Amino acid sequence: KAGVTQTPRYLIKTRGQQVTLSCSPISGHRSVSWYQQTPGQGLQFLFEYFSETQRNKGNFPGRFSGRQFSNSRSEMNVSTLELGDSALYLCASSLGTSGRYHEQYFGPGTRLTVT
Amino acid sequence: DQQVKQNSPSLSVQEGRISILNCDYTNSMFDYFLWYKKYPAEGPTFLISISSIKDKNEDGRFTVFLNKSAKHLSLHIVPSQPGDSAVYFCAASDTGGGADGLTFGKGTHLIIQP
Repeated sequence: KAGVTQTPRYLIKTRGQQVTLSCSPISGHRSVSWYQQTPGQGLQFLFEYFSETQRNKGNFPGRFSGRQFSNSRSEMNVSTLELGDSALYLCASSLGTSGRYHEQYFGPGTRLTVT
Repeated sequence: DQQVKQNSPSLSVQEGRISILNCDYTNSMFDYFLWYKKYPAEGPTFLISISSIKDKNEDGRFTVFLNKSAKHLSLHIVPSQPGDSAVYFCAASDTGGGADGLTFGKGTHLIIQP
């Protein structure tokens, strides 16, 4: 069974631009969560989608948004990029809603660098 | 306010000895806890979990202990092996309806020395 895949793996953008990251969950998984990992803050929850609906949202500004398609693939978008958005963005999929006794399986992440 | 704290950024242990990684939490609504292991350039991988109705869960070399009164959990690895060198994240969840997904600690970098 293929794991969680994320594209692209690396990305360099300049301040003010916008970016879209993609995540394909494990086949059969309906929940996709996104996390931001930075050295200073560790892993922080961005949002979770389940059956095309946003179920949970972390404490991030509205510049961060996402969506999920009918095939469970998910995209996250960051508009008006800031230097502080440089991070590893991780996607995780699970059978059910996160935190409900279903372990999440993480993808390798997309390394975003904002210059 | 950090709800899940891993106060040791790094830990060095000799191969064959016991590694003990600690995690403290402040939110009394957390009732499910997980440990993840992360190698560089890879996503975290699930290791072991524990529900708040238990105080211990064991899986091979890995054991997680939960002390609810102290809001503290620990991961024991016995015996430690070189492949265990990685960053370990503690995570917690309020399965009763929390809106924040999994809350992670900042991680502990475990180094197993030969």
